Amino acid sequence: ETGVTQTPRHLVMGMTNKKSLKCEQHLGHNAMYWYKQSAKKPLELMFVYNFKEQTENNSVPSRFSPECPNSSHLFLHLHTLQPEDSALYLCASSQEDRVPSYEQYFGPGTRLTVT
Amino acid sequence: DAKTTQPPSMDCAEGRAANLPCNHSTISGNEYVYWYRQIHSQGPQYIIHGLKNNETNEMASLIITEDRKSSTLILPHATLRDTAVYYCIVRGNYGGSQGNLIFGKGTKLSVKP
Repeated sequence: ETGVTQTPRHLVMGMTNKKSLKCEQHLGHNAMYWYKQSAKKPLELMFVYNFKEQTENNSVPSRFSPECPNSSHLFLHLHTLQPEDSALYLCASSQEDRVPSYEQYFGPGTRLTVT
Repeated sequence: DAKTTQPPSMDCAEGRAANLPCNHSTISGNEYVYWYRQIHSQGPQYIIHGLKNNETNEMASLIITEDRKSSTLILPHATLRDTAVYYCIVRGNYGGSQGNLIFGKGTKLSVKP
């Protein structure tokens, strides 16, 4: 247990569906992240939220829409996905003060399959 | 792109030391070397980090060469549970995108009985 939980752990959705991934951190951190891990590819940083403000969007398609209502919760809203979006989606959190924290804590991930 | 180069895979006998190399020849003076690992079907886990001095914690030791162009992660007594992909990451200790973790392909370590 890392203190970062993700739900659901597995999700199968059609290309016309709308679904959301949820991440919650119980560590009192102020920064949260979404990563994507496709088969046989490195982890890719998607979004960064620092103090609930989005500070990074790595050219992610608009069919992925993040939401950070508070410093403990992070959502990834999904709509009209493509089969190539099937991947493991990982959430992480860290404490970022004046300099970056040396450790990001990762959740177990959501395994997404788009059919 | 990742700023590090690692061998794609390594084997290690259970109980022996596992030495995982990493090249980071373009590292700049204020960038740290971080190591994470990812056990199958789990999220990555932080192991250790360092700037220029060797570091040790309860999980591993990190040896950084004097010119800082390469480093070695040492698991002193590898167990079967250490089988994982190990990522060496160079990261600046400042905010913004230069402080983000950029993962490469890592080294898949297989610990064998």
